Amino acid sequence: DAKTTQPPSMDCAEGRAANLPCNHSTISGNEYVYWYRQIHSQGPQYIIHGLKNNETNEMASLIITEDRKSSTLILPHATLRDTAVYYCIVQAGNNRKLIWGLGTSLAVNP
Amino acid sequence: EAGVTQFPSHSVIEKGQTVTLRCDPISGHDNLYWYRRVMGKEIKFLLHFVKESKQDESGMPNNRFLAERTGGTYSTLKVQPAELEDSGVYFCASSRIRTDTQYFGPGTRLTVL
Repeated sequence: DAKTTQPPSMDCAEGRAANLPCNHSTISGNEYVYWYRQIHSQGPQYIIHGLKNNETNEMASLIITEDRKSSTLILPHATLRDTAVYYCIVQAGNNRKLIWGLGTSLAVNP
Repeated sequence: EAGVTQFPSHSVIEKGQTVTLRCDPISGHDNLYWYRRVMGKEIKFLLHFVKESKQDESGMPNNRFLAERTGGTYSTLKVQPAELEDSGVYFCASSRIRTDTQYFGPGTRLTVL
């Protein structure tokens, strides 16, 4: 069963920041939060991950609440090419398998 | 470096036939994962290899599915005999070590008629 919940869809204007929320209230202390996206019918693309500290890379920023029960993915300047389904995932178990939800379909509008 | 590759990209077969999917992980990645998405559902874990050893196959649906990774390089996933409910997209992912990020291939879309 999915360990995360996300809104099914969101809209964002091109050039603005896209803030995608995720709830993971049952996450365990050693489980990472990963974000992937899937553009059309391509394979999932890794975006960013974190444990308890905020993280930033060239694609996005990840803000994790202090209690680790939720997080937000931030795309600072969304473009049309960022239109995709975004998945917030908990990496669990000794084998670090990814437990997926249904994701958020982000539409970036011109 | 080359990414994860999967073959074929699409496969259409009749119920009862056999299909073999192949995954070539990123060179040097010991960990290989198979996932599947059936239409309208979330992506589900199938199994995990470390080199040639199966570490976790708890997500395999039934004994019609057989995964192998001989020599610890590429992996195959065979479905025999295929059923209608096996239709979906099968993804492969690899990572260097277990705690590393998993990188995904483009997937194989399987349609069973």
